[in-house]
Amino acid sequence: DIVMTQSPLSLPVTLGQPASISCISSQSLVYSDGNTYLNWFQQRPGQSPRRLIYKVSNRDSGVPDRFSGSGSGTDFTLKISRVEAEDVGVYYCMQGTHWPPYTFGQGTKLEIK
Amino acid sequence: EVQLVESGGGLVKPGGSLRLSCAASGFTFTNAWMSWVRQAPGKGLEWVGRIKSKTDGETTDYAAPVKGRFTISRDDSKNTLYLEMNSLKTEDTAVYYCTTGSTRSSRAFWGQGTLVTVSS
Repeated sequence: DIVMTQSPLSLPVTLGQPASISCISSQSLVYSDGNTYLNWFQQRPGQSPRRLIYKVSNRDSGVPDRFSGSGSGTDFTLKISRVEAEDVGVYYCMQGTHWPPYTFGQGTKLEIK
Repeated sequence: EVQLVESGGGLVKPGGSLRLSCAASGFTFTNAWMSWVRQAPGKGLEWVGRIKSKTDGETTDYAAPVKGRFTISRDDSKNTLYLEMNSLKTEDTAVYYCTTGSTRSSRAFWGQGTLVTVSS
């Protein structure tokens, strides 16, 4: 199974400041069709997960442009340009390239300082 | 508006069985690959299994911890996804979500989840 390793696991951020989460996969996530199926999810307290980013850098509909994804191969990053109060929650990376199974990172808990 | 509504969760004893349902609306269910994902209390997300569309063979894949005990099926006439869980263990206690499109599609949707508690 592909192991997804996120860091940090806890991320205290001051409102208005940037935040960055790293996700490293145990194997390249480039699929045979040329796409890289690396996705990012946000889970606010008490809510279902919501996808923010698909295929490394594509924002889902309705996702604010302060969220961005980047990376390639095995090394990926989610960035928030200016953290807002509504961004509090847990963020997960997930690979959809090598299946079964699809695998998630451990999660990064973002909180406001 | 796309909706995924899970139901069927509850309290069950170890070794027991339970069937979860996920009612879908607002998209062409027949063409969708559907997955179940679970989240144990206070823990992260774990993919449980997936079923392809009928046109893609309706094949299923499962995570190792549930393989042989859980079965995913679908009824396209009812736009409903199912998760049959047998030989339940305490470690199966979790909120179970159904989701579609989350891995490769440009549109992803999740249900609100249903809680399964396995305890004596």
